[in-house]
Amino acid sequence: QKEVEQNSGPLSVPEGAIASLNCTYSDRVSQSFFWYRQYSGKSPELIMSIYSNGDKEDGRFTAQLNKASQYVSLLIRDSQPSDSATYLCAVRVRGNNRLAFGKGNQVVVIP
Amino acid sequence: DVKVTQSSRYLVKRTGEKVFLECVQDMDHENMFWYRQDPGLGLRLIYFSYDVKMKEKGDIPEGYSVSREKKERFSLILESASTNQTSMYLCASSDGGSTENEQFFGPGTRLTVL
Repeated sequence: QKEVEQNSGPLSVPEGAIASLNCTYSDRVSQSFFWYRQYSGKSPELIMSIYSNGDKEDGRFTAQLNKASQYVSLLIRDSQPSDSATYLCAVRVRGNNRLAFGKGNQVVVIP
Repeated sequence: DVKVTQSSRYLVKRTGEKVFLECVQDMDHENMFWYRQDPGLGLRLIYFSYDVKMKEKGDIPEGYSVSREKKERFSLILESASTNQTSMYLCASSDGGSTENEQFFGPGTRLTVL
């Protein structure tokens, strides 16, 4: 099993709708979880971090963590065309400072 | 704000050339990382470093070496560039004293080996 999996294909959402992205991880004792946004041709940009079970909100973004089920999700409310990007899920690897990254999910917001 | 800079945005080299990619961070971070990113393969860790003169292999170190002589600078070296090393190279850094360990990325270097 891969350390971090993002299985959904490209996600198309109409402007103003909610985009929902999911990520599962294999190491039960992982403690730190991150969402990065990457525009085409650019480098990843950290947009959310979460460490405790539950929800964490920052503007139009909400990260949700469920350690029992080993998944972390990202909700983008009131999606805007500027949200069109690839979103990478990352999990801190146990015992060191490495992050394991998922392959990313592409989001396309349709005006 | 954390700032990570990379020496070149675009680089074109010939097969067999020695290539140096430089990365500098200005936040006194202990940890520095080199990744490559290819379509369909995601981010793959090449090498990382927790301290000056210290290095550890990542998942795909073959064909690469690194140097960290100063805390703020982490260099990736392609001893003899090959066409399969054409890729986007990303440097990142993180605070070793932080329990969260968020990584911050530089702008990337798109390397083409002809």
